[in-house]
Amino acid sequence: NFMLTQPHSVSESPGKTVTISCTRTTGSIDTNYVQWYRQRPGSAPTIVIFEDKQRPSGVPDRFSGSIDSSANSASLTISGLKTEDEADYFCQSYDGSLYVFGSGTRVTVL
Amino acid sequence: QVQLQESGPGLVKPSETLSLNCTVSGGSMTGYYWNWIRQTPGKGLEWIGYIYYNGETNYNPSLESRVTISLDTSTNQFSLKVRSVTAADTAVYYCARKRWQQMGYFDNWGQGAQATVSS
Repeated sequence: NFMLTQPHSVSESPGKTVTISCTRTTGSIDTNYVQWYRQRPGSAPTIVIFEDKQRPSGVPDRFSGSIDSSANSASLTISGLKTEDEADYFCQSYDGSLYVFGSGTRVTVL
Repeated sequence: QVQLQESGPGLVKPSETLSLNCTVSGGSMTGYYWNWIRQTPGKGLEWIGYIYYNGETNYNPSLESRVTISLDTSTNQFSLKVRSVTAADTAVYYCARKRWQQMGYFDNWGQGAQATVSS
């Protein structure tokens, strides 16, 4: 089975842009859709991006997702960073028989 | 608005069985995949398995030998049993709903239940 590798943490100032990568270790990132979840302390994860780049209703367009096939990775970009964006972010995909989550990235708004 | 709520003992002794229930309120279980996911500081989020509304199950191979998920649509509940637990099974356990197997996302989660394995 594959793994999804994320940076441990990223930090940036309010108003700036952060991008979180999610690299698939084996197999192609294009094989299955990638989702992104946000988790605030003490709460369950909630969806911010599904099927690589789709935003659920209620998620602002400051959040965007993309796929880089050459790097075999997915990315979540948060623009116009706000203090409320401070949280852990997890990518997630599927390999045909099980669901795999990334290791998670802590986003800190300085 | 569908809501999920986990319940069960918070403390389990090593080698015993961890049992958790998830109650689904505000909607039907029909047409959905009902999942268990756990979270530890060390391993992050780990998908345990699902049961489809028709009773079909699918488990994470790393846990399959010790895990059973069952469903009771008459009471709108599904449950998780993890046998022969060790300290490594200490985690926050979430139940979550998913509409499609390959597409979509986990769209409703419970608040999570802490389960600790200790003598």
